[in-house]
Amino acid sequence: DAGVIQSPRHEVTEMGQEVTLRCKPISGHDYLFWYRQTMMRGLELLIYFNNNVPIDDSGMPEDRFSAKMPNASFSTLKIQPSEPRDSAVYFCASSFGGGLGEQFFGPGTRLTVL
Amino acid sequence: AQRVTQPEKLLSVFKGAPVELKCNYSYSGSPELFWYVQYSRQRLQLLLRHISRESIKGFTADLNKGETSFHLKKPFAQEEDSAMYYCALTPKSGGYQKVTFGIGTKLQVIP
Repeated sequence: DAGVIQSPRHEVTEMGQEVTLRCKPISGHDYLFWYRQTMMRGLELLIYFNNNVPIDDSGMPEDRFSAKMPNASFSTLKIQPSEPRDSAVYFCASSFGGGLGEQFFGPGTRLTVL
Repeated sequence: AQRVTQPEKLLSVFKGAPVELKCNYSYSGSPELFWYVQYSRQRLQLLLRHISRESIKGFTADLNKGETSFHLKKPFAQEEDSAMYYCALTPKSGGYQKVTFGIGTKLQVIP
């Protein structure tokens, strides 16, 4: 298994543009998480899904952020419109509900908004 | 609300010296505690968790409920221990899923 897959690995865009980040969780995992990592705030949970259903989106910073999970093998995090303060590394992670909480992380997407 | 505090952003120790990475938490219920590690150019991964009472790569962590701490310790640091370390907390209720991470401590082991 290749583990959690994220694309793109790097994204540079201009303020106001739409950005879509993609994630493929580990097969068989029923939880999927989106995190944002910055120097100032560390790792912040944005949203998580269970069996493709959003469970908690209280960490989503604004209406500009949205996330979907149309099926068990794919999720997207969209920012529209993007702003320079959205620049960060975005991680996707997945876990198995019976696995006592261990989360498996993807390599991350480094987003730069100019 | 659940909160994890790692007071040191950077900890530098000499090879062979003891290591202690500090972690304090606040949570009104019964938490489960973890340490995650990110080595250079590798993914963030689980190092150890309190519930398993395990020692991984020589590291141990003891949960002190009185001091609400879960410090990570190793008696003799090795160069390959240099990495970012994150303390994390999740409520036992709700299936251990909503994890709150600390800001992380960079451990630098000096040869």
